[in-house]
Amino acid sequence: GMPVEQNPPALSLYEGAESGLRCNFSTTMKGVQWFQQNHRGRLITLFYLAQGTKENGRLKSTFNSKERYSTLHIKDAQLEDSGTYFCAANYNQGKLIFGQGTKLSIKP
Amino acid sequence: GGIITQTPKFLIGQEGQKLTLKCQQNFNHDTMYWYRQDSGKGLRLIYYSITENDLQKGDLSEGYDASREKKSSFSLTVTSAQKNEMAVFLCASSKRDWGKDTQYFGPGTRLLVL
Repeated sequence: GMPVEQNPPALSLYEGAESGLRCNFSTTMKGVQWFQQNHRGRLITLFYLAQGTKENGRLKSTFNSKERYSTLHIKDAQLEDSGTYFCAANYNQGKLIFGQGTKLSIKP
Repeated sequence: GGIITQTPKFLIGQEGQKLTLKCQQNFNHDTMYWYRQDSGKGLRLIYYSITENDLQKGDLSEGYDASREKKSSFSLTVTSAQKNEMAVFLCASSKRDWGKDTQYFGPGTRLLVL
């Protein structure tokens, strides 16, 4: 299977709602990064984690290398959260594998 | 703060042509990267460089050359453009090795090969 499987491929939320995205890894990864890509194609790094949990405002991310997964949780969704979210896993020095992305749409 | 600029924004080439994309950053970051993104897909690492004159291959280096002429600039060359190729090339930089630090991305160069 794919080294990085990201789910769901697409997600639609109403403003104020919350939900989570998940990446499963086929092997033990050394770290993970989460990105948001906006409608103009601009990529923004949200988190990088070697392990554990990080929180930033309405976003929270967890990485469990032993269980081979990472999650990104969005709460109180806002219109500007729309975009495509990617996880990317570090499996070897200099090698970053991206998931296929989750297209998030926020409805008013 | 800082900024990453990529030139050109749009690049239209002919099959077999050698095409060069340029990236500049003023973060004073050590590490720079080139990624390719195909429509609806995630990014794939082409090359990266941890310091001036250093070059490391990513998973997608075949068909590309790269050059880190100085700390602030990193260029990518498509050695022979493939017909109907269409992709976005994204440059990024980080203070240290990417596994340990946040990457900042440029706006991208959109390539179309006729």
